[in-house]
Amino acid sequence: QQQVKQSPQSLIVQKGGISIINCAYENTAFDYFPWYQQFPGKGPALLIAIRPDVSEKKEGRFTISFNKSAKQFSLHIMDSQPGDSATYFCAASIGYQLIWGAGTKLIIKP
Amino acid sequence: DAGVIQSPRHEVTEMGQEVTLRCKPISGHDYLFWYRQTMMRGLELLIYFNNNVPIDDSGMPEDRFSAKMPNASFSTLKIQPSEPRDSAVYFCASSRGSLNSPLHFGNGTRLTVT
Repeated sequence: QQQVKQSPQSLIVQKGGISIINCAYENTAFDYFPWYQQFPGKGPALLIAIRPDVSEKKEGRFTISFNKSAKQFSLHIMDSQPGDSATYFCAASIGYQLIWGAGTKLIIKP
Repeated sequence: DAGVIQSPRHEVTEMGQEVTLRCKPISGHDYLFWYRQTMMRGLELLIYFNNNVPIDDSGMPEDRFSAKMPNASFSTLKIQPSEPRDSAVYFCASSRGSLNSPLHFGNGTRLTVT
């Protein structure tokens, strides 16, 4: 019940396309849903986050869509660029506990 | 702001040896987290501290692992004795005290135990 399931494991998108990564959770007590971006040789860094009382949050080319009834949330990257190639992690939190998805390796082809 | 600083960046050691990983959190951050990342298990929380006090060490795999935070600007993760299955990237992260503050990760220590 503490799991966050992330899909797909890997994703290849053409430059300029839309990248979509999905996550699902079971525990309705989760109250904060961040996405982290990790480049090779670096630690993860917060990209964007959402609370369950909001259905969508947009920051530049990055948008989180949140479906509370379905217990699902997704990251959309519009106009994907080669510099967006990285591993993306969704997560869900209760208090100071962060439960991480398994990660999606995104490759943007020029 | 220098960010979270970890050392060493790479560590190669032989099975049975003691390994010490070091972390300097961002000044003013009162939470410190140690994570381990592997392909098989992803990101695993090992332990976290609040104001230098260990709060939850339930993720520490076994007694061979220990962590300390003697002051607000320094923490260590020690493995003694090390085993090949400990090979992973170990990350330190820090955050401010409020709930849902972002985690700021260091660049990690890649540990290889042969």
